[in-house]
Amino acid sequence: AQTVTQSQPEMSVQEAETVTLSCTYDTSENNYYLFWYKQPPSRQMILVIRQEAYKQQNATENRFSVNFQKAAKSFSLKISDSQLGDTAMYFCAFMKHLGGSQGNLIFGKGTKLSVKP
Amino acid sequence: DSGVTQTPKHLITATGQRVTLRCSPRSGDLSVYWYQQSLDQGLQFLIQYYNGEERAKGNILERFSAQQFPDLHSELNLSSLELGDSALYFCASSVVASGSNKTQYFGPGTRLLVL
Repeated sequence: AQTVTQSQPEMSVQEAETVTLSCTYDTSENNYYLFWYKQPPSRQMILVIRQEAYKQQNATENRFSVNFQKAAKSFSLKISDSQLGDTAMYFCAFMKHLGGSQGNLIFGKGTKLSVKP
Repeated sequence: DSGVTQTPKHLITATGQRVTLRCSPRSGDLSVYWYQQSLDQGLQFLIQYYNGEERAKGNILERFSAQQFPDLHSELNLSSLELGDSALYFCASSVVASGSNKTQYFGPGTRLLVL
């Protein structure tokens, strides 16, 4: 069975600075996807970034980028130029690729990020 | 706005009762997933439907059931409710096809409180 571990329950960062959230996962699969979702106080789950395991290039989305290390089974999220609106719970998630189909998401327990002015 | 809608937003009920949560996926999405978020269990996958058929089951209790209708909306039925069923229930939808981006888009959730 796949597992996702986020070892930092809480983190804080000053506005405009950079922060990195850690995520490790355990799987015997070779084809899969990794995601970071953000859950602000509204509790809405919002996709931040997505990485396909077969792609060696790290995904980036504006101020958000990942460091994907497949051999180490590590998938960290870097937030640059942190903004107050980045304050949220961040969940790392794993999804198995099932041929033409896809599996469900397996989530870590989350990291609560606070951006301080 | 993800395009996934869920009703109701909030639900307060008593132990032993039965409730139905409703989800409408994004236009064009054939696959619907249900997740439960609770303080002690975190975010857990319950069940997936694809074009009206059950595709996968996770940690869904026997007291819970779901279905997906021909118009692709889905309902999650929770019966014989217990205090521990209090949680935020999310529906997510995605396009399941070769070449699709495999992303699941979440609705705003239904907050269930069992008293």
